[in-house]
Amino acid sequence: QQPVQSPQAVILREGEDAVINCSSSKALYSVHWYRQKHGEAPVFLMILLKGGEQKGHEKISASFNEKKQQSSLYLTASQLSYSGTYFCGLRVNEKLTFGTGTRLTIIP
Amino acid sequence: DAGVIQSPRHEVTEMGQEVTLRCKPISGHNSLFWYRQTMMRGLELLIYFNNNVPIDDSGMPEDRFSAKMPNASFSTLKIQPSEPRDSAVYFCASSSGLAVNEKLFFGSGTQLSVL
Repeated sequence: QQPVQSPQAVILREGEDAVINCSSSKALYSVHWYRQKHGEAPVFLMILLKGGEQKGHEKISASFNEKKQQSSLYLTASQLSYSGTYFCGLRVNEKLTFGTGTRLTIIP
Repeated sequence: DAGVIQSPRHEVTEMGQEVTLRCKPISGHNSLFWYRQTMMRGLELLIYFNNNVPIDDSGMPEDRFSAKMPNASFSTLKIQPSEPRDSAVYFCASSSGLAVNEKLFFGSGTQLSVL
């Protein structure tokens, strides 16, 4: 089953913060986050494994709560380059299933 | 290092024609995935291979779709006959393996339009 992301879209002014959520009805072993810019391929951002760890990439960090079967992506002090669609990917039985996507638009 | 290479970048064909999409994974990667992306369904996993062997093709929509991986450096996705609803961007991705911490590297995709 496809993980559910929220919100579906968000518009920010440069410098503002955002949170993107990803939830699943199935037990999670790992959560992947990817960013896709318009007309391009998805690009890997980070992986989180079981244990509630947090990771960071630039000013982007994420958390993973396997008990709640949720992951959140945090974007702080957003930059224009952060614009794109963010996907979470959940690994279940070797298959990586992507969420519905969150379109992030950063305006100057 | 070259990334995942897909061809063609764009394909326009008429309904009923055969379409073949090609993918060259990153050298040394053992796992290969075919995804389809549409506005309605997002990124859907069609099929994936490990060590050239198809592991799960449950995402292949119909018998009109088939995929092969004759060797470690080449895979094809074929649609025969094609239909307008097959129009989408098809991505190929590869990874070192199927462990939970393996990340995917995507190709640039093939934009398929079936008229």
